[in-house]
Formats: sequence, C-alpha cells, structure tokens
Amino acid sequence: AQSVTQLGSHVSVSEGALVLLRCNYSSSVPPYLFWYVQYPNQGLQLLLKYTTGATLVKGINGFEAEFKKSETSFHLTKPSAHMSDAAEYFCAVSENSGYALNFGKGTSLLVTP
Amino acid sequence: DVKVTQSSRYLVKRTGEKVFLECVQDMDHENMFWYRQDPGLGLRLIYFSYDVKMKEKGDIPEGYSVSREKKERFSLILESASTNQTSMYLCASRSGKDRGPNNEQFFGPGTRLTVL
Repeated sequence: AQSVTQLGSHVSVSEGALVLLRCNYSSSVPPYLFWYVQYPNQGLQLLLKYTTGATLVKGINGFEAEFKKSETSFHLTKPSAHMSDAAEYFCAVSENSGYALNFGKGTSLLVTP
Repeated sequence: DVKVTQSSRYLVKRTGEKVFLECVQDMDHENMFWYRQDPGLGLRLIYFSYDVKMKEKGDIPEGYSVSREKKERFSLILESASTNQTSMYLCASRSGKDRGPNNEQFFGPGTRLTVL
C-alpha cells in the first residue's frame, strides 16, 4: 500500500521567511500526490496536486511543490510566509487504481511576526 | 462551487447512543468518503462509497457503519457510541469520472463529536 511520511509535526517560521514542509512517499507505482491545507475549524482544501507531466507544481496562495522520483519526495514550499498561512498541512497519496487517499499525519505551521 | 455539507458542526452524545452523521454533496459525485481526524494521527479512512448502495471498508471501520441510498447523501452511523469515538469526522466527495484517482477530494467542514 502507498503511504506518505511528513517530517516534523510542527514547523515555525518568521513572517517573510521561506516555508518548507517535507513529505516523502512510498509507492511501487507512479503515485498521484496531493497537498491539502486545513485552517482552524474548517475542512481540508486542496493546495496542489501532482499527477503526471511537469514535476514542479504550482498551487494556490503562492505554494508550490516538486515531485522528485529519485528522492521519493514531494516537499511543499513558499518563498515568503504570511501570517495567514498558519494552518495544518497534509500530504496525501492516491493509488493509481484505487479510490481513497492515504494521508500523512500532518504538519502544523506557525508563522511568527 | 462544489459544496459538501455536514449536518452538524458540533455534537455531544452519551455512551451507548446511536449516532447519525449526515453528509450531502451537490456536485453529482460518484465517490464519497468518511474520515476521522485525531491529533498526531492525521486523517484515517473509515468507509467509502464508490456509488449508490455500494460501500467499502476503510482502515478503521470497527464500530461504524454507513448508508448511501441516494447519490448525494452518505451517512455515517455509530451503532453504540463509545468514548474512544470522540473525534473530528470529515466527509469528502470526488468525481469518479475521467481519471478517478487523479481527481481531488472535496471536504466538508467537519463534525466534532464528543461522546460522554
């Protein structure tokens, strides 16, 4: 079964600093990879996804992620953090022929002034 | 705009009660999902349905059942609620057409259930 591991349950950055949230996947077949964000007291919202094609994927709110097959990674980045980026971020993988997503345990991003 | 709604944002029940959590989506999606979210554990799949009257167990189905009589509605049932089912419950839906697994899941706002 495919799975993802998110390194760091909590990440703290200063406003304006680079955001880097790490996600590694395990898969025996080419995966579909997703990043979701959850703001307080809300459901999850899709930030971006990788399916096929370009390995650098751009998402909403200035986020992007790069699929690196050799490193089995799909790290999420944003050049300059904003206070409104404070949220929980989830990496997820979808099986090629399946229905469900397998989520990582999440990374809570704190942005300090 | 895709909309997934859940019947309650907050729910408090007593041990042993039968609990119904309702989810409705308005995008004619084939696939629907129930997850529970717990701190440090992320989201875990309870059940999913790939079409009306069809259901599959997820990773943690014990103590739960589901019902999908209409395409837009997917219900999660706790037959006899227990304190270890205190959690945030999230419903999601996804189009099963075209590149099915490729498509994003749309989430509801969640129901925070407390079982006393």
